[in-house]
Amino acid sequence: AQKVTQAQTEISVVEKEDVTLDCVYETRDTTYYLFWYKQPPSGELVFLIRRNSFDEQNEISGRYSWNFQKSTSSFNFTITASQVVDSAVYFCALSEAGFLGSARQLTFGSGTQLTVLP
Amino acid sequence: EAQVTQNPRYLITVTGKKLTVTCSQNMNHEYMSWYRQDPGLGLRQIYYSMNVEVTDKGDVPEGYKVSRKEKRNFPLILESPSPNQTSLYFCASSYSDSNYEQYFGPGTRLTVT
Repeated sequence: AQKVTQAQTEISVVEKEDVTLDCVYETRDTTYYLFWYKQPPSGELVFLIRRNSFDEQNEISGRYSWNFQKSTSSFNFTITASQVVDSAVYFCALSEAGFLGSARQLTFGSGTQLTVLP
Repeated sequence: EAQVTQNPRYLITVTGKKLTVTCSQNMNHEYMSWYRQDPGLGLRQIYYSMNVEVTDKGDVPEGYKVSRKEKRNFPLILESPSPNQTSLYFCASSYSDSNYEQYFGPGTRLTVT
């Protein structure tokens, strides 16, 4: 069974600090997809990134970067020079690929509440 | 505008009174699913649908029903709501299955007294 663990329930930083959100996953499949979603205080869920299990390259998008390490089953998310607008709940999620478009279940972690203080 | 809509956004009801939360998407997506969000538990999948007339249980299906008679609609039905179904519910859709980016609706806050 697939499982996602976000051990950090809450993190608080001061603006301009860097912060890393941890995500550890469990799966028996060799092909799978990992995601990060953001839920700002307004409540909607915003897609941030999708990564497949065969692509271990780190990705950078502006102040956001993701570190995918299959050896430790981790897909960590770093925000550089954090801003107050980054305050949100961040969810990591996992989908096992299945066979020819049959992937059915998306499993979320419990989320990390990030608060960036001015 | 590509979107997933849910109605109602807020609902307060009493135990045992049947209710339906509607979900509709305009992106011609094949995959749709329902999640509930509870503090400390993240989002948990209730039901999903791979296409019209194809639905299956997720992790927490007890007390819920769904149907997929049209590609765009995926209503969530609570035939006899109970207080433990008080939660924030999200509908989502994606291109073909759970390997793709999910487009989420705005959420429905349900309170069962």
